[in-house]
Amino acid sequence: GIQVEQSPPDLILQEGANSTLRCNFSDSVNNLQWFHQNPWGQLINLFYIPSGTKQNGRLSATTVATERYSLLYISSSQTTDSGVYFCAVEISSSGSARQLTFGSGTQLTVLP
Amino acid sequence: DTEVTQTPKHLVMGMTNKKSLKCEQHMGHRAMYWYKQKAKKPPELMFVYSYEKLSINESVPSRFSPECPNSSLLNLHLHALQPEDSALYLCASSLRQGGWGNTEAFFGQGTRLTVV
Repeated sequence: GIQVEQSPPDLILQEGANSTLRCNFSDSVNNLQWFHQNPWGQLINLFYIPSGTKQNGRLSATTVATERYSLLYISSSQTTDSGVYFCAVEISSSGSARQLTFGSGTQLTVLP
Repeated sequence: DTEVTQTPKHLVMGMTNKKSLKCEQHMGHRAMYWYKQKAKKPPELMFVYSYEKLSINESVPSRFSPECPNSSLLNLHLHALQPEDSALYLCASSLRQGGWGNTEAFFGQGTRLTVV
């Protein structure tokens, strides 16, 4: 099956710092999403980005589909950015078995 | 509106109980999903319904029984669960199950289940 690898597994930042999270995947994808899971378990949609670049406030994301990776940038981090960031992909070749597969996540802690 | 609503938020049940988790969306999505998430792990797919028909069952034990009564509702019936089934159960929906075009998935806030 598809491999989805996220790095780093853990990241501790001081408030105001910038960070880059990476997601590598092993096959061509139809769908790639970035989520933020808050401490209450809610998965919040950040980006739907199977290719290209998008920006939303302090967050931006880039997916280079041909090289099978995606990056999530967080600028001027705030304590409320803390939580787990997941990348999830749906591969192109799975036929009727299409589904989102999650990476193992990056645990981000932003210190005041 | 991109809301998926799950009830209850928390559930404690005994190993001999029967309970149900509910999920509802009104976005006109025709694919709905159940995921299970253990602590410090990513969500893992359990079931997919596409146009109210079961499309994927990831070899889930029969003590978990999904049901999709209509295009807006998804249930997960629980019976004779084990303590190791304690987890966060997440429901999601998307316009359709995969393929080209926008298949962005939206998740509910989850049901935190404890089996005692």
